Amino acid sequence: QKEVEQNSGPLSVPEGAIASLNCTYSDRGSQSFFWYRQYSGKSPELIMFIYSNGDKEDGRFTAQLNKASQYVSLLIRDSQPSDSATYLCAIRLDTGRRALTFGSGTRLQVQP
Amino acid sequence: DGGITQSPKYLFRKEGQNVTLSCEQNLNHDAMYWYRQDPGQGLRLIYYSQIVNDFQKGDIAEGYSVSREKKESFPLTVTSAQKNPTAFYLCASTVAGLEENYGYTFGSGTRLTVV
Repeated sequence: QKEVEQNSGPLSVPEGAIASLNCTYSDRGSQSFFWYRQYSGKSPELIMFIYSNGDKEDGRFTAQLNKASQYVSLLIRDSQPSDSATYLCAIRLDTGRRALTFGSGTRLQVQP
Repeated sequence: DGGITQSPKYLFRKEGQNVTLSCEQNLNHDAMYWYRQDPGQGLRLIYYSQIVNDFQKGDIAEGYSVSREKKESFPLTVTSAQKNPTAFYLCASTVAGLEENYGYTFGSGTRLTVV
């Protein structure tokens, strides 16, 4: 079992809709959870992170964390064609390493 | 402006050749990381360093080497022992212990191709 699992997609949504991206993780020692956006050929850009159960909102983005279910999601409201990219979920364990472990990403396509 | 600079942007390696990828940051971050990304895949950790003159192997360190002689610099050498080096290489940095305050900043990457 991979440490961080994401559906590779593509997830296709119409412009203006809500896009829901999901991520599950295997290690209960996971401390914090990051969402990155990556355009083709570019480096990842941080969208937001979350470390407490519940929801965290930042503009059009909402991260949701459920540690009991080992599940984290990202909602994008009012999706725009410019949101079309690959979304990477990453976890940080509370160990000496303190590095991020990434999922393989979900490709999102927002149709105009 | 503060950030991470990776060079070169594109690099071509011949069989049996060692090549070095540069990563320099002026963010005063103490922790630095090297990741590899293959097409359609997530990032995999190669090496990391949390302090000058100290570094640790990540999940896929075989065929790679690093040094950390200065806080701002963390070069990665891809050796001839790495049999499949063609990939996108990303360097990242943060403040150890304050990752959620500072986030992880990524460089723009180096695309390495074996010719």
